[in-house]
Amino acid sequence: RKEVEQDPGPFNVPEGATVAFNCTYSNSASQSFFWYRQDCRKEPKLLMSVYSSGNEDGRFTAQLNRASQYISLLIRDSKLSDSATYLCVVGGGFKTIFGAGTRLFVKA
Amino acid sequence: DAGVIQSPRHEVTEMGQEVTLRCKPISGHNSLFWYRQTMMRGLELLIYFNNNVPIDDSGMPEDRFSAKMPNASFSTLKIQPSEPRDSAVYFCASSGDSNSPLHFGNGTRLTVT
Repeated sequence: RKEVEQDPGPFNVPEGATVAFNCTYSNSASQSFFWYRQDCRKEPKLLMSVYSSGNEDGRFTAQLNRASQYISLLIRDSKLSDSATYLCVVGGGFKTIFGAGTRLFVKA
Repeated sequence: DAGVIQSPRHEVTEMGQEVTLRCKPISGHNSLFWYRQTMMRGLELLIYFNNNVPIDDSGMPEDRFSAKMPNASFSTLKIQPSEPRDSAVYFCASSGDSNSPLHFGNGTRLTVT
């Protein structure tokens, strides 16, 4: 089993749609969780941290379920500019483990 | 606030040549990471340093690869001799403590012909 597993992609959605990405992790002792975004031919960029109580940043909502070792990212009212690869990340610093990423295509 | 700075942005070289990639981490970050990304293998951790000391280099593919961090503000990744299969994007990242997210540089796109 991979340490961090994500939904296989790609996701193809129309503008304005709501899309959800899921991620599971194997290390129950993990303390830090993040979502990154990577555009084509660019570096991964931190999108948001994921907190136990769940957190929201504009159209983006992240949830953490420690019991199920599950993380999610919800994007509401998707825009063309949301097209990218979304990486689930578990752990921080030298304990960081990246998921393989899920590709999102938002169509006009 | 300057982020992680990498140079060069692009490098094209011939097989057998030496390649040196450079990285300046974010000031105050004590961990530095070198990653390689290809379509086939995704993002791979090559090596990381903590307080300028190499901690885990198990991801370095072979002896042709070496990395140094002579001080807190500079690191290099060297490939000698380079081979076509080394063609990839090489990212440097830095972070603060062990719970902090990584911050990536723009990457160096290496092409070995």
